[in-house]
Amino acid sequence: AQKVTQAQTEISVVEKEDVTLDCVYETRDTTYYLFWYKQPPSGELVFLIRRNSFDEQNEISGRYSWNFQKSTSSFNFTITASQVVDSAVYFCALSDPPVRGDKLIFGTGTRLQVFP
Amino acid sequence: KAGVTQTPRYLIKTRGQQVTLSCSPISGHRSVSWYQQTPGQGLQFLFEYFSETQRNKGNFPGRFSGRQFSNSRSEMNVSTLELGDSALYLCASSTTSGNTGELFFGEGSRLTVL
Repeated sequence: AQKVTQAQTEISVVEKEDVTLDCVYETRDTTYYLFWYKQPPSGELVFLIRRNSFDEQNEISGRYSWNFQKSTSSFNFTITASQVVDSAVYFCALSDPPVRGDKLIFGTGTRLQVFP
Repeated sequence: KAGVTQTPRYLIKTRGQQVTLSCSPISGHRSVSWYQQTPGQGLQFLFEYFSETQRNKGNFPGRFSGRQFSNSRSEMNVSTLELGDSALYLCASSTTSGNTGELFFGEGSRLTVL
C-alpha cells in the first residue's frame, strides 16, 4: 500500500538558517508523482512542486530545493536562508495510481517555525 | 482569477444533525476533490468528482456523500453527525483528469460537532 512518512513533527529554526524537511514514501508502482504542499495558518494548501517518478533531477526554485532519490524512496525539501514567512506546515504527498482521479496520499506534515 | 471558494468557513452542529458544505472550483476546472483534515488522522481523501461523476472514493462511511453540478460546483454532505466528524474539510480543484495534476485548495470549512 502507498504510504508517506514525514518523521519530523516540528522543526524550529532561526531566520537565515537552512532547513531540510524529510519525506520517505512507499509504493509498489513504477509510475507515480510526488508533491510538496505548504499549509499556512489560513488553512489552504499551496502547491510547491510535483515530481514524476522518472525524473530524478534535483530542482531548485529560489530558496527552495528538492532532492529526489528513488533508491532510498525519499523526496526531501530544503529551504535555504529561511524566513519568518516560511513558517507553516509542509506536507509531502504521493499520487495513488492506477486509480483514476486526483487522489493524493499525504504524510502527517512537518510544522516549521522560523523565529526572527 | 478567483481561487477555490468554500462556504461556510465555520460552522457548529450538534450530534445527529446533518451538514452540507459547498465548493466553487476555479473557473475552467472540472475536477473537484474533498479531503478531511483532523489532528489525529491528518489529511484523508474523501472523494473526487469529474464532470458530475464520482471517479474515486476514500474509506469513509456512507454518511459522507457528495455531488457535482454541471457548472463544476460541488457539495458534500455529512448526515447523522458524530463528534469525530469535527474537522477541517478542504476542497481542491484541478484541470486534469488522472492524479498527476496540481491541486488548488480552498481555505476549508471548519466543522465543529458538539
